[in-house]
Amino acid sequence: DGGITQSPKYLFRKEGQNVTLSCEQNLNHDAMYWYRQDPGQGLRLIYYSQIVNDFQKGDIAEGYSVSREKKESFPLTVTSAQKNPTAFYLCASSMGQGWYYGYTFGSGTRLTVV
Amino acid sequence: DAKTTQPNSMESNEEEPVHLPCNHSTISGTDYIHWYRQLPSQGPEYVIHGLTSNVNNRMASLAIAEDRKSSTLILHRATLRDAAVYYCILTVWQAGTALIFGKGTTLSVSS
Repeated sequence: DGGITQSPKYLFRKEGQNVTLSCEQNLNHDAMYWYRQDPGQGLRLIYYSQIVNDFQKGDIAEGYSVSREKKESFPLTVTSAQKNPTAFYLCASSMGQGWYYGYTFGSGTRLTVV
Repeated sequence: DAKTTQPNSMESNEEEPVHLPCNHSTISGTDYIHWYRQLPSQGPEYVIHGLTSNVNNRMASLAIAEDRKSSTLILHRATLRDAAVYYCILTVWQAGTALIFGKGTTLSVSS
């Protein structure tokens, strides 16, 4: 079955460390997105990519970095510059015309700073 | 981005219909209306979307006002599994548009 795989499901990070969250899709979708969700809040857009080797900042990109070297993969690095990284991170993908075909989400990675 | 307004919470009884409202008075002619729902500790799930006409699928129905300034998501028979946060989102008819989420409506379903 096609879908989005996020790994790991749970991740613990020490302060000052960079960590990378994985997002892989086999839906042949052109666009991919990263969101952050804090408890009791809606999702906030971090980065998105419409095509390979291109990506744009979302509303809260500071302290994060991404790459899009393959169509199927869009990893997110949470750097030590992100002051409050503990959150639930969600990856999504869509055909280029997401507004028409809809968006598919992964099951998320819960990151905790210890 | 055009904004939406939803009630913070709603309650329903199992097997009864549920009407979830969404106001979007500043919607433009090219904005699609999307509904997603999120169960606890899971990623959002697509429910339904439409542009001008009412839409039906196996999960729900979407009723869009004639002036498009409001819409209603209809769950025909609520089940306990429908308890979730429901998000009404407008998307611009433009390549690479991302979903921009508000706080949504938390639906509780009682047996």
